[in-house]
Amino acid sequence: KAGVTQTPRYLIKTRGQQVTLSCSPISGHRSVSWYQQTPGQGLQFLFEYFSETQRNKGNFPGRFSGRQFSNSRSEMNVSTLELGDSALYLCASSSSPGITGELFFGEGSRLTVL
Amino acid sequence: AQKITQTQPGMFVQEKEAVTLDCTYDTSDQSYGLFWYKQPSSGEMIFLIYQGSYDEQNATEGRYSLNFQKARKSANLVISASQLGDSAMYFCAMTRAPGGSEKLVFGKGMKLTVNP
Repeated sequence: KAGVTQTPRYLIKTRGQQVTLSCSPISGHRSVSWYQQTPGQGLQFLFEYFSETQRNKGNFPGRFSGRQFSNSRSEMNVSTLELGDSALYLCASSSSPGITGELFFGEGSRLTVL
Repeated sequence: AQKITQTQPGMFVQEKEAVTLDCTYDTSDQSYGLFWYKQPSSGEMIFLIYQGSYDEQNATEGRYSLNFQKARKSANLVISASQLGDSAMYFCAMTRAPGGSEKLVFGKGMKLTVNP
């Protein structure tokens, strides 16, 4: 059974550009959540999607957005990139919200903003 | 609000020895879940073990066990018989459970180094 797949794994952008990251959850999983990891702030929750609906959103500016498709794949977008957006972006999937003890992460997308 | 505290910035252990990684938490929820994840240098967060707040027995998964002391609000990870491949960052996290969102609140993590 394939794990959570995130693409691209690495990318470099410049300030002001936008970026789209993709996450394919484990087959059969319908819940996807996103996290940002930086050395200074640690791991912070971005948003969570279930059945194409955003269920929760973390404390991030509106430049950060996401969506989920009918096949449960999810994308997140960051517009007008800032240097501080450089981070590892991690996606996690579970079969459905509240199914405890079952939350698996991908390898992440490492974004560098120059 | 939920909070996870991991005070050990780093630990060193000899191969084959047991090691305990500390985690304390704070929450006003009656029902919650506690996770431990391992993050090697590759970046992937690898699920290790889960403990629900109403689980009466401490969780175990192979060489990993969770020493859950609810009254003290601690959820320490015990790794028996350390291996070189255990060298990584370790994160304790919690979420509302059951029936809550999957939003995880993470601790700052701690770095474990296993020496041969």
